Amino acid sequence: GESVGLHLPTLSVQEGDNSIINCAYSNSASDYFIWYKQESGKGPQFIIDIRSNMDKRQGQRVTVLLNKTVKHLSLQIAATQPGDSAVYFCALISSGSARQLTFGSGTQLTVLP
Amino acid sequence: DAMVIQNPRYQVTQFGKPVTLSCSQTLNHNVMYWYQQKSSQAPKLLFHYYDKDFNNEADTPDNFQSRRPNTSFCFLDIRSPGLGDAAMYLCATSRDRGDIQYFGAGTRLSVL
Repeated sequence: GESVGLHLPTLSVQEGDNSIINCAYSNSASDYFIWYKQESGKGPQFIIDIRSNMDKRQGQRVTVLLNKTVKHLSLQIAATQPGDSAVYFCALISSGSARQLTFGSGTQLTVLP
Repeated sequence: DAMVIQNPRYQVTQFGKPVTLSCSQTLNHNVMYWYQQKSSQAPKLLFHYYDKDFNNEADTPDNFQSRRPNTSFCFLDIRSPGLGDAAMYLCATSRDRGDIQYFGAGTRLSVL
């Protein structure tokens, strides 16, 4: 089966610093990868995605990097703000007919004042 | 404006008393999903509808059922809730299988 794992369960950063959240995956047959942000008591919110044929994609204050050689995905948040405090999940969409969404275990990001 | 709407946000039920959670969407997406999420865990897929085609996950208990009367609405029925069914239930939609899924705010279910 497929598995998606995160390196660290918690991450604390100072407000204004950059955050990097990492994710490892085991199945190379994945069409693309998604980062979700889930604030306490809310549903996951789509942040950014990246196709398997890309290695970098940028959004507003966020950058996702994909290294298919080592099966590693990261989310970089620039100038982290208190509103960024949340659990971040990486997820992948498997290729093939099933095309399931598989979530990683989540990283709790805490932004310190 | 919310595009995937779940009602109610909080639901309290008694052990063994049937409960129904609802989800509606304004995105006109073909696929609707139900997930169960317990504290500090990733969402776990229970089942999904691709249009009217129901797809159950192999490990979803029979206690959980779903209905999709039309494109916009999908319901999760828990026939006899147990204490272990207390969780956040998330509804999500996607345009097609394998597309980005958009989630509702969830319904927090408590079982007394």
